[in-house]
Amino acid sequence: EADIYQTPRYLVIGTGKKITLECSQTMGHDKMYWYQQDPGMELHLIHYSYGVNSTEKGDLSSESTVSRIRTEHFPLTLESARPSHTSQYLCASSMGGKRSTDTQYFGPGTRLTVL
Amino acid sequence: AQSVTQPDIHITVSEGASLELRCNYSYGATPYLFWYVQSPGQGLQLLLKYFSGDTLVQGIKGFEAEFKRSQSSFNLRKPSVHWSDAAEYFCAVSPQDSGYALNFGKGTSLLVTP
Repeated sequence: EADIYQTPRYLVIGTGKKITLECSQTMGHDKMYWYQQDPGMELHLIHYSYGVNSTEKGDLSSESTVSRIRTEHFPLTLESARPSHTSQYLCASSMGGKRSTDTQYFGPGTRLTVL
Repeated sequence: AQSVTQPDIHITVSEGASLELRCNYSYGATPYLFWYVQSPGQGLQLLLKYFSGDTLVQGIKGFEAEFKRSQSSFNLRKPSVHWSDAAEYFCAVSPQDSGYALNFGKGTSLLVTP
């Protein structure tokens, strides 16, 4: 079983607040991902990383930012949250090099509600 | 354009009945194929995957899937459904050795009745 953690699991905040969603994995995976999932919808990739100091934007445009200072940690930050950011955010990680495709392991998700 | 289609948004089956969830893809070459399950309020758990080789793939929880190149399909099956199988099922696809992240279908919601 994969070991990937997300905190908080649920977050309700007011508009304009800065938030950071945490994601950590203990598997030593180089590649990490953030997906956004609206209720009843598919997952959309918003950020990914090939390793330390690597961050890339995904297919879905997002106002969030990410950082990758340590292999195990891939936090996502929203500088000023808005109701349109209300969604579930899923973090994932996988082994392999930049051009390889490997199984992705998912965290439990953070359900964000912006009032 | 590359795409993943799960034609059934909702499926209801009786406990003990067989199950088949459909997944079709549109890609230039055979991609890597995955099935994930998501229980309410949870992340995604990998059920099984196909990279190459035997086209019938066995997974966890009694699930299996068959890759059919001629039909561009990767349907998920289970011979006898349990109430605990009620969840959202996602088919996902990725081009081989591209390093790309997964492209997900919209999911199929499974309801199991007594």
